[in-house]
Amino acid sequence: DVKVTQSSRYLVKRTGEKVFLECVQDMDHENMFWYRQDPGLGLRLIYFSYDVKMKEKGDIPEGYSVSREKKERFSLILESASTNQTSMYLCASSPYTDSEGRYFGPGTRLTVL
Amino acid sequence: KNEVEQSPQNLTAQEGEFITINCSYSVGISALHWLQQHPGGGIVSLFMLSSGKKKHGRLIATINIQEKHSSLHITASHPRDSAVYICAVSDYGGSQGNLIFGKGTKLSVKP
Repeated sequence: DVKVTQSSRYLVKRTGEKVFLECVQDMDHENMFWYRQDPGLGLRLIYFSYDVKMKEKGDIPEGYSVSREKKERFSLILESASTNQTSMYLCASSPYTDSEGRYFGPGTRLTVL
Repeated sequence: KNEVEQSPQNLTAQEGEFITINCSYSVGISALHWLQQHPGGGIVSLFMLSSGKKKHGRLIATINIQEKHSSLHITASHPRDSAVYICAVSDYGGSQGNLIFGKGTKLSVKP
């Protein structure tokens, strides 16, 4: 059974802290994505990666960075967390051709105090 | 103007009713996705289609490329169908693998 896992379901951090969100997929997918989801705004792409060590900015990359050192793992980093980064964060993966649709992780609800 | 528009935003139905959720888009696409998100966050991909119609159990998805419109139908709805249904398109001109999402339709099925 295909699986995308995220390191935490719920996370509470303080303003200014460095935050790491981890995502792991076991399907040998080339593409991996980080989204945030906010009420009324829907899903918005932060960053995506189509290969190891490759990354591309999405629609809202400001305040975030990513790391993909291994094919199965895609990390989202908040260098200095701010309250406006309180959100639901969703990771997803897909094969290179995106022919099978998108597989999503369970999400991490991050609260920045 | 949003590139992917869904209607209705909210939908309440009685168990057993036939439900239709609509999605219109304004860009050229290579595929359209229907996703389901239950309370708690997890998103499941229901369908990916680029033409015609697909069926899985009580769910049917159709797409009309000329009219840039897709519908998701649920037959014999059940309270466990209560979820947010999200339409998303793979944009021809967009970055590889990226999706443009609608804002979702919140469905509540009452017993």
